[in-house]
Amino acid sequence: EVQLVESGGGLVKPGGSLRLSCTASGFTISGHNMHWVRQAPGKGLEWVSSISTSSSYIYYADSVKGRFTVSRDNAKNSVFLQMNSLRAEDTAVYYCATVTDGGLDYWGQGALVTVSS
Amino acid sequence: SYELTQPPSVSVSPGQTASITCSGDKLGDKYACWYQQRPGQSPVLVIYQDSKRPSGIPERFSGSNSGNTATLTISGTQAMDEADFYCQAWDSDTVIFGGGTKLTVL
Repeated sequence: EVQLVESGGGLVKPGGSLRLSCTASGFTISGHNMHWVRQAPGKGLEWVSSISTSSSYIYYADSVKGRFTVSRDNAKNSVFLQMNSLRAEDTAVYYCATVTDGGLDYWGQGALVTVSS
Repeated sequence: SYELTQPPSVSVSPGQTASITCSGDKLGDKYACWYQQRPGQSPVLVIYQDSKRPSGIPERFSGSNSGNTATLTISGTQAMDEADFYCQAWDSDTVIFGGGTKLTVL
């Protein structure tokens, strides 16, 4: 069964850091570009970042550029999101997802990140 | 930056056809996707490349995209279809989501 599992979420103070992990099972991520998408409480979906199969191409939303860093370890079948200088507006459920034929076809269950003092 | 606009809400009676629109500048020149998100669950891809259905998505879900508008159509809407729906397109190498539409089946 294809599965993506996010971990590493939690409560952090403004200005703090957190590292999210997304580990795949049932398939290998090496053939997929990987994306992070977040959803603030009661709000819509917001794309955060993407990383190509060999990490050659990395993109960020303007809202996180300079603060978040995406990486991947194909040998561990995992992708990561390092989040620094966190703000209250970064509070959200963070999903990782794969892309096939232009659509985000597999999503994890999400990891809740709460930024609050 | 590129924007996609959806109506906040759409209502439909059971068994009827629901249409959800997504507008963007020359959206028809891009591929559109649609996602269904039930409360407390992760989004599910229901349409990709304008009109293709992933495996396991019921035939009552269909899509089209032309001009400045993409449309998700749900024929014979069922109570289980009640959810939030998001359109999505690509702007260069970044993903753009619409604001979402709450579909109510009543």
